Amino acid sequence: AQSVTQPDIHITVSEGASLELRCNYSYGATPYLFWYVQSPGQGLQLLLKYFSGDTLVQGIKGFEAEFKRSQSSFNLRKPSVHWSDAAEYFCAVGAYNTNAGKSTFGDGTTLTVKP
Amino acid sequence: NAGVTQTPKFRILKIGQSMTLQCTQDMNHNYMYWYRQDPGMGLKLIYYSVGAGITDKGEVPNGYNVSRSTTEDFPLRLELAAPSQTSVYFCASSSDVGQGDFSGYTFGSGTRLTVV
Repeated sequence: AQSVTQPDIHITVSEGASLELRCNYSYGATPYLFWYVQSPGQGLQLLLKYFSGDTLVQGIKGFEAEFKRSQSSFNLRKPSVHWSDAAEYFCAVGAYNTNAGKSTFGDGTTLTVKP
Repeated sequence: NAGVTQTPKFRILKIGQSMTLQCTQDMNHNYMYWYRQDPGMGLKLIYYSVGAGITDKGEVPNGYNVSRSTTEDFPLRLELAAPSQTSVYFCASSSDVGQGDFSGYTFGSGTRLTVV
C-alpha cells in the first residue's frame, strides 16, 4: 500500500528566508509524486510533479522539489519565501499507469510566514 | 474554462437527512474523484471513477454513493447524514494515467458540510 508522511505539522519562517518542507513516501513501484498547495477556504492547486527524469523538478511560484529514491523522499524547497506563500502544503504519491490514478495524500504542513 | 465546479459551497444538514453534492468538470477528463478532508488531516478517497458508467470505492466509502452517467458529472450522495460526515468535500479530475501524461489533479473549491 502507498503512504505519505509529512513529519512537520507546522513550520514558521521569516519572509525572505529559505524553506524546506519534508515528505517521505512508501510505494512499491514507480510512483508519481506531487506537491499541492491549499490556501484557506480554497481547493488544492498543483505546485509540481515528478515521474521520471531529472530528480530536481521546478514548479510554479518559484518552488522546486528533489526526488531522492534512496531516502524515499520528495522535499519541497523555495529559496526565498514571500508572505503570500503562507498556506497548507500537501505531498501526494500516485501510481504510475495503474490504480486508476488514485493518489494518497500526507496530512499536510501548515506554513506561517513572519514579516 | 471553469475547470471543476462544486455546489453547494456550504451546507448544514440535520442528522438523518440526505443530500447530493454536485461536481462538474469541463476538461473532458475521464478520471474523477471524491475526497473528504477532516481538520488537521490529509485527504481521504471516498469514491472514484475512470469513465462514464464506471465507479469504484475508495478508502472511506461507507455512507456515500456516487454515479457517473456522463463524462462531465460525478455527484456524491449522502444518505442518512451522520455527525461523522461533517467535513470538507473535494471533487477532483485528471487526464488519463499513462507514461508522462498524468498531470495530477484539478480540484474544485470544496463543499463544507456540517451535520448537526
